[in-house]
Amino acid sequence: AQSVTQLGSHVSVSEGALVLLRCNYSSSVPPYLFWYVQYPNQGLQLLLKYTTGATLVKGINGFEAEFKKSETSFHLTKPSAHMSDAAEYFCAVSKGNSGGYQKVTFGTGTKLQVIP
Amino acid sequence: DVKVTQSSRYLVKRTGEKVFLECVQDMDHENMFWYRQDPGLGLRLIYFSYDVKMKEKGDIPEGYSVSREKKERFSLILESASTNQTSMYLCASSLRQGTKRAYNEQFFGPGTRLTVL
Repeated sequence: AQSVTQLGSHVSVSEGALVLLRCNYSSSVPPYLFWYVQYPNQGLQLLLKYTTGATLVKGINGFEAEFKKSETSFHLTKPSAHMSDAAEYFCAVSKGNSGGYQKVTFGTGTKLQVIP
Repeated sequence: DVKVTQSSRYLVKRTGEKVFLECVQDMDHENMFWYRQDPGLGLRLIYFSYDVKMKEKGDIPEGYSVSREKKERFSLILESASTNQTSMYLCASSLRQGTKRAYNEQFFGPGTRLTVL
């Protein structure tokens, strides 16, 4: 079975400060990992994904995440927060390269507040 | 760009009514999904479909059914709506795993906020 844990349901940062949203996963096989963002009253939008290869993944809007197998983590970071980054962020995991349909498991989400 | 559309953004229904939520995607994706989203619980999978007329139960199928008569359309049906089905409903689609460039990433519609009174 696979699972995702997001530490902190709410995170507040000042505008211009570092954003760090934590995600830990469990998977019995090499995973595919995702971060999605949800703005108020909208669906989820893919920020970035890790499949294979380089462990530091860059996404849209200046976000990046690093896959650390030894720590089973996939934390999301951004060097400098903007007011427009205020949203809810979801980490997700699925089995990689396993053929057929592979379930995607989502974390419970972290709401990011950016303080002016 | 993949576009996933849902028939309504907001819907208000009464207890016992039959409710249809429609979802259409325009990128020829094989897989389609219905989730409900509730505060503190994240996304929970209700049903998914990996082909026309095929469906599989997700984690919380009770009280729901689905229909997929055409590849681009996936409908969620609440046979007799209840107040505990008040929620945000999200539809998503993805390429079949094994297809070139398919990494299980899902593309979401804007959601339907359903209130059952």
